[in-house]
Amino acid sequence: GESVGLHLPTLSVQEGDNSIINCAYSNSASDYFIWYKQESGKGPQFIIDIRSNMDKRQGQRVTVLLNKTVKHLSLQIAATQPGDSAVYFCAEKGAGTASKLTFGTGTRLQVTL
Amino acid sequence: NAGVTQTPKFQVLKTGQSMTLQCAQDMNHEYMSWYRQDPGMGLRLIHYSVGAGITDQGEVPNGYNVSRSTTEDFPLRLLSAAPSQTSVYFCASRTALKEKLFFGSGTQLSVL
Repeated sequence: GESVGLHLPTLSVQEGDNSIINCAYSNSASDYFIWYKQESGKGPQFIIDIRSNMDKRQGQRVTVLLNKTVKHLSLQIAATQPGDSAVYFCAEKGAGTASKLTFGTGTRLQVTL
Repeated sequence: NAGVTQTPKFQVLKTGQSMTLQCAQDMNHEYMSWYRQDPGMGLRLIHYSVGAGITDQGEVPNGYNVSRSTTEDFPLRLLSAAPSQTSVYFCASRTALKEKLFFGSGTQLSVL
């Protein structure tokens, strides 16, 4: 079946730098994408989402980019802070009410001082 | 608002024991679901419910039962625990019209 995956298991970034976390998806029919942040021992927290009719969406210090041509999703975090250290994972959903979110395995972001 | 509340936070069971993981949400969400999270794997859907009295199987339903008698509560039952059910379990909810899921803080279950 279709799957969503992340390229790197761990990303180390210096405090103050920008972080880019990538996600590849294989279902060309997916029309909704979402990023979650999960801190150790906690449940996933919503960061930002985007629909397939958009290429870019911005939130507070975060930007999600969607490239449908190569089926690639990225999360950019500006001015990375120690509190951003966590596992980040993406999920995608196909069109239709019966479709469910499919989650990637996650990338661990480590912020160094 | 408390959001999605899960209890217990930790649980250790012996093989063959039964237990119920509790989940409650106070956001009046129609949709509720249970996921398990295992190392190296994405969240996998166990069971879900689109409203009170309605439940359906997800990707990995074997060994688990659910019921939805109220909008607020969605318990997950393990009838006869097996070591393969050692995992972290998350309950999540959302409105009927939005895809964004809200997650609880999780239950870490170990089956010996």
